[in-house]
Amino acid sequence: QQQVKQSPQSLIVQKGGISIINCAYENTAFDYFPWYQQFPGKGPALLIAIRPDVSEKKEGRFTISFNKSAKQFSLHIMDSQPGDSATYFCAAAYNFNKFYFGSGTKLNVKP
Amino acid sequence: DVKVTQSSRYLVKRTGEKVFLECVQDMDHENMFWYRQDPGLGLRLIYFSYDVKMKEKGDIPEGYSVSREKKERFSLILESASTNQTSMYLCASSLVQVNTEAFFGQGTRLTVV
Repeated sequence: QQQVKQSPQSLIVQKGGISIINCAYENTAFDYFPWYQQFPGKGPALLIAIRPDVSEKKEGRFTISFNKSAKQFSLHIMDSQPGDSATYFCAAAYNFNKFYFGSGTKLNVKP
Repeated sequence: DVKVTQSSRYLVKRTGEKVFLECVQDMDHENMFWYRQDPGLGLRLIYFSYDVKMKEKGDIPEGYSVSREKKERFSLILESASTNQTSMYLCASSLVQVNTEAFFGQGTRLTVV
């Protein structure tokens, strides 16, 4: 059973649009929620991360929204660009140790 | 530059063979991980090691074992490879600290025929 559930599986967005990817978790022991970006042929790389004591974190065009009571968090990519086309994984970890990943979202930003 | 190196990018093995996947990190990280990546299933944790000779099972340890004799090296062993173990295998490492980051290798694409 997957510890972190991610949707949608794939997403097509026009250039300049907003991409939104959602994740949900059950284990309230999780205390760290990173997002990873993976390009073809590469390993995933950290994009942005949030702790549960804040509701939002923004870095450039990328924003994480976190809803602790609903046990949900989401990634928003503003002004999406073709270079953002990649697979995105949400993850959750506790005690800064084990990372559990979602099933991934393949994003395609059309020019 | 941080680096996690997996020994092979592509491997083809026969059913029943014993397979070793090697991973080395040069960042003195305590934690090391082996994940399996399959379409629609994301990254699934096979095994986790938090110190030399220490290991914990992840979500899908069946058919796999691991070895960590030195801090920088973490090996994944398929005792008797089967076709359902055909997959992309990713190694990662991380520090035990607040806001830690998992650094990934480039992956090993294993095909079992």
